[in-house]
Amino acid sequence: EAGVVQSPRYKIIEKKQPVAFWCNPISGHNTLYWYLQNLGQGPELLIRYENEEAVDDSQLPKDRFSAERLKGVDSTLKIQPAELGDSAVYLCASSLRGGALYNEQFFGPGTRLTVL
Amino acid sequence: DAKTTQPTSMDCAEGRAANLPCNHSTISGNEYVYWYRQIHSQGPQYIIHGLKNNETNEMASLIITEDRKSSTLILPHATLRDTAVYYCIVSDAGNMLTFGGGTRLMVKP
Repeated sequence: EAGVVQSPRYKIIEKKQPVAFWCNPISGHNTLYWYLQNLGQGPELLIRYENEEAVDDSQLPKDRFSAERLKGVDSTLKIQPAELGDSAVYLCASSLRGGALYNEQFFGPGTRLTVL
Repeated sequence: DAKTTQPTSMDCAEGRAANLPCNHSTISGNEYVYWYRQIHSQGPQYIIHGLKNNETNEMASLIITEDRKSSTLILPHATLRDTAVYYCIVSDAGNMLTFGGGTRLMVKP
């Protein structure tokens, strides 16, 4: 069974440029998460989707970040324009469903973003 | 979510048991204890979870104290590939996972 797929694995851009990250969750997983991980810290949730609906986006900086999961399968996270402080690893995770007895999340390898 | 306290780093000799402690003194009755680990340049990986009883799977054992204020993750025979950051998280069933700084475990030959 394929795991969570993310692309690209690495991205280097100049500040003020736009950037997009793509995630394909495990087949059949209704819940999709985007996390941000700064160096030396644990992942921080940006947004959670239940199918195509964003049910928790309180931590997403909406002035420059946007996300979509149009058909309830794969998802895209966008930053426009990128700032130096956005340099981090962006992780995507999926799980069978939210609100389950327990919530085992499966993570992709992440996209390492460097903003110059 | 209740907060957890973990040592910043630990060392363990290869082949020995690694015992990783976690304090969660403000855990509430419906919150589970989850453990994830993150190997360098990879995403976090689920290890085990528990509510009250001790749990064991093919990866590790989880020992939760009777008052549930602390727990220990045990890797019975640590290998070099177990070198990673280990995160202890408490959360309601199905609620969000809030990662702290974790414990950086270094398994040494």
